[in-house]
Amino acid sequence: DSGVTQTPKHLITATGQRVTLRCSPRSGDLSVYWYQQSLDQGLQFLIQYYNGEERAKGNILERFSAQQFPDLHSELNLSSLELGDSALYFCASSPLPGTEAFFGQGTRLTVV
Amino acid sequence: AQSVTQPDIHITVSEGASLELRCNYSYGATPYLFWYVQSPGQGLQLLLKYFSGDTLVQGIKGFEAEFKRSQSSFNLRKPSVHWSDAAEYFCAVGATGGGNKLTFGTGTQLKVEL
Repeated sequence: DSGVTQTPKHLITATGQRVTLRCSPRSGDLSVYWYQQSLDQGLQFLIQYYNGEERAKGNILERFSAQQFPDLHSELNLSSLELGDSALYFCASSPLPGTEAFFGQGTRLTVV
Repeated sequence: AQSVTQPDIHITVSEGASLELRCNYSYGATPYLFWYVQSPGQGLQLLLKYFSGDTLVQGIKGFEAEFKRSQSSFNLRKPSVHWSDAAEYFCAVGATGGGNKLTFGTGTQLKVEL
């Protein structure tokens, strides 16, 4: 158990819908990352937060947004969902940006 | 920008044989380097990390990795592979500082033949 909690574990939704993925980081970790993993794209970095502020952005679509709240949990919002958004979405946390990250078990999103 | 290359997409070894997974990185300064393992349907688990000091680092499950600055490499090794080691392995590079994320390689899928 990494100490990072992601909910829900599985999500099935229809195209055009909006979903929210939630992440609770390890106790004491200030940095949160979101990654998308699919068979054809591999592990893609989406976005990083540190103590509530956005610190780095990767290949995140405009339809996707995220935030980190004062209690340090984070949410990833995916809207206008397309079939190609089906993937595993991982949250990871670390004490400082760039240091070892601890991953949650992921949310498997299926868009039908 | 930092980057990681894992040149082997798939590797097959026999149980009991030795293993070496290759990782090359690109980073302007001394990087922080990591190896992660992912079993099917699971999250990534940290195997080991290099921050500074001794260039040979030991990790969990009997794995070790050696940092070679001259070759920009951080190869993962295990002297004797067990069937339960079959998984996907990811090398990653990071560093502290503003906005630094972890950059992952594309992964190496390890298959272990009994």
